Amino acid sequence: SAVISQKPSRDICQRGTSLTIQCQVDSQVTMMFWYRQQPGQSLTLIATANQGSEATYESGFVIDKFPISRPNLTFSTLTVSNMSPEDSSIYLCSVGGGGYEQYFGPGTRLTVT
Amino acid sequence: SQQGEEDPQALSIQEGENATMNCSYKTSINNLQWYRQNSGRGLVHLILIRSNEREKHSGRLRVTLDTSKKSSSLLITASRAADTASYFCATAAGSARQLTFGSGTQLTVLP
Repeated sequence: SAVISQKPSRDICQRGTSLTIQCQVDSQVTMMFWYRQQPGQSLTLIATANQGSEATYESGFVIDKFPISRPNLTFSTLTVSNMSPEDSSIYLCSVGGGGYEQYFGPGTRLTVT
Repeated sequence: SQQGEEDPQALSIQEGENATMNCSYKTSINNLQWYRQNSGRGLVHLILIRSNEREKHSGRLRVTLDTSKKSSSLLITASRAADTASYFCATAAGSARQLTFGSGTQLTVLP
């Protein structure tokens, strides 16, 4: 299984600002995923990030709001842009395992005031 | 949007009892997985059952899958306080690796 770290672990940000979340994996992986988990809710997939190609966004999520970078096979960033209180969530990255299972990072808890 | 619903939303049991959680989904699947999340942290993969399987065991976990009813259940036997967590089912369709998560069950095991 892969070991995944995320930075920052938590942050409190002001409305209108942007935050970039980093996701680092201890091995090379093809597929990385970004999820949002709103308070008390389940996980919703934001986008799939493959190295060397543009991220693929799910319905309801757009690149201008959640730009993603995937510069190599061990690293990705998600930016939450022009934040509002509705963006307060836990943001999680994950990577695909050898099969269909995914391994998750510890999450970034974002509060927007 | 969520693939389906889990019930119960919350479950509280005594240590040593069994816990059963149910998951329903809406579309055809390749496999169904169960994950555990402790206190809003990252998720941990527990078990995967393929669409052509009906039952699978892993330690104290037993998963069943009924594709005709589009439902699955997770049984945790002889529960422990450390099993206290949120449990989510997640489905994968076709050859896609993307997962769609259920609404989750909050399990509390009382010592």
